[in-house]
Amino acid sequence: AQSVAQPEDQVNVAEGNPLTVKCTYSVSGNPYLFWYVQYPNRGLQFLLKYITGDNLVKGSYGFEAEFNKSQTSFHLKKPSALVSDSALYFCAVRDYGQNFVFGPGTRLSVLP
Amino acid sequence: DAGITQSPRYKITETGRQVTLMCHQTWSHSYMFWYRQDLGHGLRLIYYSAAADITDKGEVPDGYVVSRSKTENFPLTLESATRSQTSVYFCASSESTGVFNEQFFGPGTRLTVL
Repeated sequence: AQSVAQPEDQVNVAEGNPLTVKCTYSVSGNPYLFWYVQYPNRGLQFLLKYITGDNLVKGSYGFEAEFNKSQTSFHLKKPSALVSDSALYFCAVRDYGQNFVFGPGTRLSVLP
Repeated sequence: DAGITQSPRYKITETGRQVTLMCHQTWSHSYMFWYRQDLGHGLRLIYYSAAADITDKGEVPDGYVVSRSKTENFPLTLESATRSQTSVYFCASSESTGVFNEQFFGPGTRLTVL
């Protein structure tokens, strides 16, 4: 069965510093990986996805994610954090023919 | 407006009552999904639908009923609400079940069962 782990409930970073939100996954076949962001009282918004190809994926709002097959990880990164990046971030995985499985979420707080 | 909408946005009900949460999308996406979001659990799939009149259970279907008579609508009914169904409910849609297709989410319905 496929699963996703986000080992940190909360990540705090100062504005202007780089940020990383971690995600590890488990699937039986090829992984298809996604990041979503949720702002307060809003639905989830798609940020980026990895399907195949280049291990570094670029997405919305300056975010990128690095796929590492040997470590089964798909960490979300941004070179310079903004206060407006503060939100709840979800990693999700799907195996071929399967539905999404979401991680528990990581709350990112960017401090001014 | 194009997109995916949910109604009501907030609902308070009592144990044992029937409640229906509505979801409407304007993209003509084939697939629609219902999730619930609870602290510590992330999002869990309740039901999904591949097309009109085709529905299937997700991870946590007990106590819920869905229907899909039209492509654009996917209502979720709690036949006899329980306190454990207090949650935030999200509807989502996607173009197909292709693994590269992301899902698009509605704004959510916050349901409280007293």
